[in-house]
Amino acid sequence: DAGITQSPRHKVTETGTPVTLRCHQTENHRYMYWYRQDPGHGLRLIHYSYGVKDTDKGEVSDGYSVSRSKTEDFLLTLESATSSQTSVYFCAIRQDSYNSPLHFGNGTRLTVT
Amino acid sequence: DQQVKQNSPSLSVQEGRISILNCDYTNSMFDYFLWYKKYPAEGPTFLISISSIKDKNEDGRFTVFLNKSAKHLSLHIVPSQPGDSAVYFCAASAQYGGSQGNLIFGKGTKLSVKP
Repeated sequence: DAGITQSPRHKVTETGTPVTLRCHQTENHRYMYWYRQDPGHGLRLIHYSYGVKDTDKGEVSDGYSVSRSKTEDFLLTLESATSSQTSVYFCAIRQDSYNSPLHFGNGTRLTVT
Repeated sequence: DQQVKQNSPSLSVQEGRISILNCDYTNSMFDYFLWYKKYPAEGPTFLISISSIKDKNEDGRFTVFLNKSAKHLSLHIVPSQPGDSAVYFCAASAQYGGSQGNLIFGKGTKLSVKP
């Protein structure tokens, strides 16, 4: 295993409430990513980080924010959850070198009712 | 517009035979390609990769072929085993321009290997 822990593994929340998902790594990798997986869409990048306090938007960033105050933790926040954000969220990490694969956590299944 | 396309949502093969999963891409700047395998309720697992300077990479039962002129790559699994049944994702990235070095994924192909 690549040393990635996502929490919680499952969460049910109501529309309009804020939600924070946590990704914790023990590999000391510089790059961290948040993806969402939806039927018919594969994996889509939400936000990524290339260092402490260095983050950028991905393909589907609307409605999400991230923070990285420590190398090991990357937080994904839904400021006001909507039903369209019901999904499975995966965190991933990568070594510094470009031709390195991403290694994924086991995901957080989020349901917004 | 989809930059990485896996046109077959599903594939069924007999145990012991070859499985061939296909992937097409549109961005000519892509220079690094990967295949991931995903079981239900788990995260995607890295399987094999190939750089654009190569046209073939092999790792045990898994071989990836890259045809740059056709913008096409394929994953061959020989021989297929029931434990290979999973969803397979193709992914690509471009170090310069395009995806900012981030991986772009296809929608996946669900492989079923029947005993």
